[in-house]
Amino acid sequence: QKEVEQNSGPLSVPEGAIASLNCTYSDRGSQSFFWYRQYSGKSPELIMFIYSNGDKEDGRFTAQLNKASQYVSLLIRDSQPSDSATYLCAVSPNFNKFYFGSGTKLNVKP
Amino acid sequence: ETGVTQTPRHLVMGMTNKKSLKCEQHLGHNAMYWYKQSAKKPLELMFVYSLEERVENNSVPSRFSPECPNSSHLFLHLHTLQPEDSALYLCASSQSEGYYNEQFFGPGTRLTVL
Repeated sequence: QKEVEQNSGPLSVPEGAIASLNCTYSDRGSQSFFWYRQYSGKSPELIMFIYSNGDKEDGRFTAQLNKASQYVSLLIRDSQPSDSATYLCAVSPNFNKFYFGSGTKLNVKP
Repeated sequence: ETGVTQTPRHLVMGMTNKKSLKCEQHLGHNAMYWYKQSAKKPLELMFVYSLEERVENNSVPSRFSPECPNSSHLFLHLHTLQPEDSALYLCASSQSEGYYNEQFFGPGTRLTVL
């Protein structure tokens, strides 16, 4: 069983729509949860982190965490073509263990 | 710019060569990491250093040898690599206390082993 599971996509949404990205994890001891965006040929860029149940909003991005269901999601409102990238979910039980999913490729069509 | 730099950005080496990758962070963090990213595979955590001491080694072959001389610098020494070691090698840094251990990545070194 993989530590972090993500749908590989591609997920295609029209410009201006809401993109919903999902992630499940297996380690119940995970304390910190992250979403990274990775453009082709570039390194991952941190866009959101969350460590308590519920929602966390930052601009057009909302991260949602449900520890009981071992589920993390990322909502991108008013999606733009520049949001087209691969989104990586990462979970961490402590600073020396990080588990990344394989990523979901998002295409935002103009 | 994330405050984490890596050199070189691209490296081509033969299987008998010895080379080193360098990483430097300017964020005041006390933990540093090496990752390997291959096509179609998740990021693989290779090594973790906290306060210059290695705290994690995820069954990485001995042909990869890390070195952390201080909390700002991290090296990955490479020798007698195999073609399957060709990948993007990423360095990251974070704090090692509490929940706020978000990692910031460098731009990576694209390694090709011939």
